[in-house]
Amino acid sequence: GQQVMQIPQYQHVQEGEDFTTYCNSSTTLSNIQWYKQRPGGHPVFLIQLVKSGEVKKQKRLTFQFGEAKKNSSLHITATQTTDVGTYFCAGPDYTDKLIFGTGTRLQVFP
Amino acid sequence: GAGVSQSPRYKVAKRGQDVALRCDPISGHVSLFWYQQALGQGPEFLTYFQNEAQLDKSGLPSDRFFAERPEGSVSTLKIQRTQQEDSAVYLCASSLDGPLREQFFGPGTRLTVL
Repeated sequence: GQQVMQIPQYQHVQEGEDFTTYCNSSTTLSNIQWYKQRPGGHPVFLIQLVKSGEVKKQKRLTFQFGEAKKNSSLHITATQTTDVGTYFCAGPDYTDKLIFGTGTRLQVFP
Repeated sequence: GAGVSQSPRYKVAKRGQDVALRCDPISGHVSLFWYQQALGQGPEFLTYFQNEAQLDKSGLPSDRFFAERPEGSVSTLKIQRTQQEDSAVYLCASSLDGPLREQFFGPGTRLTVL
């Protein structure tokens, strides 16, 4: 079945440093969604990308969808302690159900 | 209005017991999803409703798992004869219309089977 992998699994950064997580799907995706889950919390929708090569920005967060629509990335500039959490990408399979990635857990040290 | 709510937030069951988990989606949301999340992993799809119709139940691990949404609003996930491997967080999500839209998640029910 479709697999969605993310790297790295964990990332520890000093506050102010940048952070990037990469998402790779075994199949071409019609769109990709990103979610953030704080420790002990539930996933919260961040953004959806649909077009090949699309780039979207939300303040310090930059999301990119690959040209082949099989990979995506999330880059955070100048991390803050409020960025702590696990970031998941998710893409629909051929039946449109969301397949979540393995997640990248971000820890930010003040 | 209010977000997605789930009850109970925590449930401890003895192996072999039946449990029922409730989800109240955002009012007006047509689609409702159940996911299972094991510790340190991403949510895994269980089942999906469009109004009262269960359109996809391919993710349900066994016939011990059953979900319903009889009036197209509140949904219940029932697990019969619980086993230790059922221990996980069960997340409910809703979306305005369809699985390709933004999904709003509830706080989850943490199920522990002893």
